[in-house]
Amino acid sequence: AQKITQTQPGMFVQEKEAVTLDCTYDTSDQSYGLFWYKQPSSGEMIFLIYQGSYDEQNATEGRYSLNFQKARKSANLVISASQLGDSAMYFCAMREGGKAAGNKLTFGGGTRVLVKP
Amino acid sequence: EAQVTQNPRYLITVTGKKLTVTCSQNMNHEYMSWYRQDPGLGLRQIYYSMNVEVTDKGDVPEGYKVSRKEKRNFPLILESPSPNQTSLYFCASSLTGRQNSPLHFGNGTRLTVT
Repeated sequence: AQKITQTQPGMFVQEKEAVTLDCTYDTSDQSYGLFWYKQPSSGEMIFLIYQGSYDEQNATEGRYSLNFQKARKSANLVISASQLGDSAMYFCAMREGGKAAGNKLTFGGGTRVLVKP
Repeated sequence: EAQVTQNPRYLITVTGKKLTVTCSQNMNHEYMSWYRQDPGLGLRQIYYSMNVEVTDKGDVPEGYKVSRKEKRNFPLILESPSPNQTSLYFCASSLTGRQNSPLHFGNGTRLTVT
C-alpha cells in the first residue's frame, strides 16, 4: 500500500489566488513527521514546511501552511497568494520513527502546479 | 550559507567506468543519505548514514557504495556504472535521523550512463 498519496497529478492556479495540494498518508507509528518539498524545473529539492504528529497547531511558514487532520491522516499544503515562481512540482513526504524504516523520507508521487498570470 | 553541496551537477559517462559523486554539508548534521529520482518510480533511498563510520543500505543499494569517514562528507561511488543507473541523484542531510528532523537536499546530479 502507498504510504503517501497525492491524488492531484497537476493543477492550474491563477496568480494571487490560494491553492490547496492534497496529501494523505498511512502509518502505524504514533510518532512521525510530515514534510512538503518544492521541486522547480531546475531540479533542486527545496524544503518548505514540517508538521510533527504530536503538534496540535497547524504549521505555517510565510505563504505556506499545512492543514493537518490527524484522524483523517491528511496533511494538505495551502499556498496563499500564488506567485509565478510557485510553478513547480510539490512533494508530500513522511519520516517515520525507528531504524527499521531506514530513517528515510517516503515521498508521494507529487503534484505539478502551474501558476497562470 | 548553510547548504548541501554535491558535484558534479551533470555527468555523462560510459558503462563500466568508475565514478564518484561528492557530497558535503556544512551544517554539522549527523544524518546523511542518497536518493535517486526516476520518472514513474519517484524518489528512492540508496544508502544512509546515521553518523561517522555508520552506513546502511536503503531501498535500492545494488551497484552503489558509500563511505562516511568524516561527518561532513558522504560520497556516492559507482564502481561499474550501467545504463539503468541513469538518474537524478540527490544527497541530503538532517541534524539527526529522527522523524522531526527535516532533510535538506543538494542541487542534484544528473547522471547519464551510455
